[in-house]
Amino acid sequence: AQTVTQSQPEMSVQEAETVTLSCTYDTSESDYYLFWYKQPPSRQMILVIRQEAYKQQNATENRFSVNFQKAAKSFSLKISDSQLGDAAMYFCAYRRTGGNTGKLIFGQGTTLQVKP
Amino acid sequence: EAGVVQSPRYKIIEKKQPVAFWCNPISGHNTLYWYRQNLGQGPELLIRYENEEAVDDSQLPKDRFSAERLKGVDSTLKIQPAELGDSAVYLCASSSGQGYPGELFFGEGSRLTVL
Repeated sequence: AQTVTQSQPEMSVQEAETVTLSCTYDTSESDYYLFWYKQPPSRQMILVIRQEAYKQQNATENRFSVNFQKAAKSFSLKISDSQLGDAAMYFCAYRRTGGNTGKLIFGQGTTLQVKP
Repeated sequence: EAGVVQSPRYKIIEKKQPVAFWCNPISGHNTLYWYRQNLGQGPELLIRYENEEAVDDSQLPKDRFSAERLKGVDSTLKIQPAELGDSAVYLCASSSGQGYPGELFFGEGSRLTVL
């Protein structure tokens, strides 16, 4: 069974600084998708960034980028120029490709605090 | 475009009472998910629908939980009777067969407290 692990329950960063959130996963599949979702307090979860496993190039979305290390099964999220609005819980998620399964498997989450 | 709508946002009940949650997915999304999120944890899938059909309900505690998606649009998740351990946020999400695979759109969730 696939699993996703986020080993940092909490992280903090100074406004305008850079922070990296860690995620590791376990799968026997060779092709799959990885995601980072953001969940602000009492708000809905929204997609931050996504990565296809067959792509070697790391995904980037404005201030958000990932470091995808397929062999190490690692998928970290880097937030540059952190803003107060980035404070939230961040979840790493995995989804296999193919088959009739749209199930996302989530990690335990990392709470990010942004200090002014 | 309206997002995924859930109600109620908050519900407090005594144990052994029934409770129901309602979800209206994004228009045109044929896949609907119910996730349960315990405090400080990641969401875990309870059930997934493709149109009206429940295609993955392996994690749904069927002795007390039930769900339905009539006409392949709105969905209701019911717990009867509720137990203390059911206190959690129940998230509904939807996705379409188009666009990026695996991108789910979530509602704000229904927070259940069982006393």
